[in-house]
Amino acid sequence: GAVVSQHPSRVICKSGTSVKIECRSLDFQATTMFWYRQFPKQSLMLMATSNEGSKATYEQGVEKDKFLINHASLTLSTLTVTSAHPEDSSFYICSAQRGGPGGAEAFFGQGTRLTVV
Amino acid sequence: GENVEQHPSTLSVQEGDSAVIKCTYSDSASNYFPWYKQELGKRPQLIIDIRSNVGEKKDQRIAVTLNKTAKHFSLHITETQPEDSAVYFCAALSGGNNRLAFGKGNQVVVIP
Repeated sequence: GAVVSQHPSRVICKSGTSVKIECRSLDFQATTMFWYRQFPKQSLMLMATSNEGSKATYEQGVEKDKFLINHASLTLSTLTVTSAHPEDSSFYICSAQRGGPGGAEAFFGQGTRLTVV
Repeated sequence: GENVEQHPSTLSVQEGDSAVIKCTYSDSASNYFPWYKQELGKRPQLIIDIRSNVGEKKDQRIAVTLNKTAKHFSLHITETQPEDSAVYFCAALSGGNNRLAFGKGNQVVVIP
């Protein structure tokens, strides 16, 4: 299957600082990428849809000024958690959909474990 | 938009028995239904998928069935093994926005 690479896999940062997470589709072009947040033993919560060359679409309740998304190319989307606080500690995971007739397979990055201290 | 419900939330089975997870969806126009397996601390991995022009698909010990009339699809795991223990997510592709809607996940525990 296709490969989606997410970096870093783990990050610890101090309260008030910003953290950037990268999501790359390595062997296909992804016009759309998705960012999720996952709490322990819970499902994937969609935060936003990242569209190449345009503004991201945020889900209700997700602060766009806090979670900045940039999709500068067909293979790269970034999520920046600004002014991080301990409650932002979570597992963040991206996915890219590879379209095709009758379906759109989603491939996930390996996720980023963010800990804000 | 599409709404996907997944049941049960937790399922414990004895090793060797079968496990069945059922999902329902709301958008009759949805045409693609993948299943993902997520092991602890790892990314979800696609394990099987089915498209709306097919009623059943099988791959070794796993199979998926789709009932378009009732708008539900199920994952069947036969001869379960301890390595099948994981969280399983179903999803449906909404034709309207080309976005996958995920169920809440099902924790499957295979008891040796």
